[in-house]
Amino acid sequence: EDQVTQSPEALRLQEGESSSLNCSYTVSGLRGLFWYRQDPGKGPEFLFTLYSAGEEKEKERLKATLTKKESFLHITAPKPEDSATYLCAVENGGFKTIFGAGTRLFVKA
Amino acid sequence: DAGVIQSPRHEVTEMGQEVTLRCKPISGHNSLFWYRQTMMRGLELLIYFNNNVPIDDSGMPEDRFSAKMPNASFSTLKIQPSEPRDSAVYFCASSSRDGTYEQYFGPGTRLTVT
Repeated sequence: EDQVTQSPEALRLQEGESSSLNCSYTVSGLRGLFWYRQDPGKGPEFLFTLYSAGEEKEKERLKATLTKKESFLHITAPKPEDSATYLCAVENGGFKTIFGAGTRLFVKA
Repeated sequence: DAGVIQSPRHEVTEMGQEVTLRCKPISGHNSLFWYRQTMMRGLELLIYFNNNVPIDDSGMPEDRFSAKMPNASFSTLKIQPSEPRDSAVYFCASSSRDGTYEQYFGPGTRLTVT
């Protein structure tokens, strides 16, 4: 069964304290792995797509990496405005999308 | 671009009533997805359409749920009859499937069934 597991469930950081979020997955025929950001009361907002192991993508303070079993979302020198829930998702060979439960990130000034 | 549009934004109804949620995808996108989000179960895919055709509805919880996409710019998710356990936020998302697969989500409809 296709599955996505994110850790930790919640992460509290001080402003400027870099860290990483983990997304472990098992999927039949990975078509893509996605990272989304979700703010309270809003829909998920697309951040990155990774297609194959070894791929990396960056956007401002965020960097996403992919291996055959997991993905990391690295946050460098976070700011309070980076506080949100970060969701990982995979699309399998049947074009079905499976989301993880998310990591709630809190960044304190 | 206005993004994905959903209506209503909030819906409060009594158990047993019919509920219809509406979605307008981003113009030019040919795939549309309906999700349900709850604290307990997270974000669950209910059904998705490609070129207005339902491809996978295995996530639809039971026969009380139905979805239609009569044309490329409109979709509905209907619950009949509604039950308190259907209370959740329902999201619609669309994608262009042009070789990239990211989805763009609407603001959601918060449904409360009393």
